[in-house]
Amino acid sequence: GAVVSQHPSRVICKSGTSVKIECRSLDFQATTMFWYRQFPKQSLMLMATSNEGSKATYEQGVEKDKFLINHASLTLSTLTVTSAHPEDSSFYICSARPGGSGNTIYFGEGSWLTVV
Amino acid sequence: AQSVTQLGSHVSVSEGALVLLRCNYSSSVPPYLFWYVQYPNQGLQLLLKYTTGATLVKGINGFEAEFKKSETSFHLTKPSAHMSDAAEYFCAVSDSGGYQKVTFGTGTKLQVIP
Repeated sequence: GAVVSQHPSRVICKSGTSVKIECRSLDFQATTMFWYRQFPKQSLMLMATSNEGSKATYEQGVEKDKFLINHASLTLSTLTVTSAHPEDSSFYICSARPGGSGNTIYFGEGSWLTVV
Repeated sequence: AQSVTQLGSHVSVSEGALVLLRCNYSSSVPPYLFWYVQYPNQGLQLLLKYTTGATLVKGINGFEAEFKKSETSFHLTKPSAHMSDAAEYFCAVSDSGGYQKVTFGTGTKLQVIP
């Protein structure tokens, strides 16, 4: 099946710094990618929908200036957590949907962010 | 608007016993329904999905689910549990129209007892 890769899988950063997480579709082109966060023992919450070549659409309550999303190509979307705080520590997962191939979406392996 | 309710945040079964994980959905349009599995410290893997057609859907690892419109349910079953099935399972729904957003349930953690 299609493969979506996230990098890094784990990252620790200091409070106040920024960290970037990459999401790549390895064997298909993804016009749309989605970013989720998952707090411990909770479900996945959609943060934003990323469309190639245009601005991301953020869900209500998600700070667009804090969580910067860039989808510069059909195979890469990035999430940058700016001025990170300990409460931003979470599991971030991206997913991607191949264009024109139905409704299956594929998830990355996720990225653990710990802000200390 | 759409939503998913998974009954039981934790389910324990004995190895070899039937697995039944419950999922009810709410959707204002014909839904597409999914079950995903998440192993510890990993991303999500698609088990199966229902879009249109046959209401009994077979997935990987011996799992299957049946779409019952009258009950707005999409329960996940497996006849015989294996130790390797221990994981967290998420039911999800998306609208069948533009498909832009997937809404997840809160998850059910399956424990398999030897």
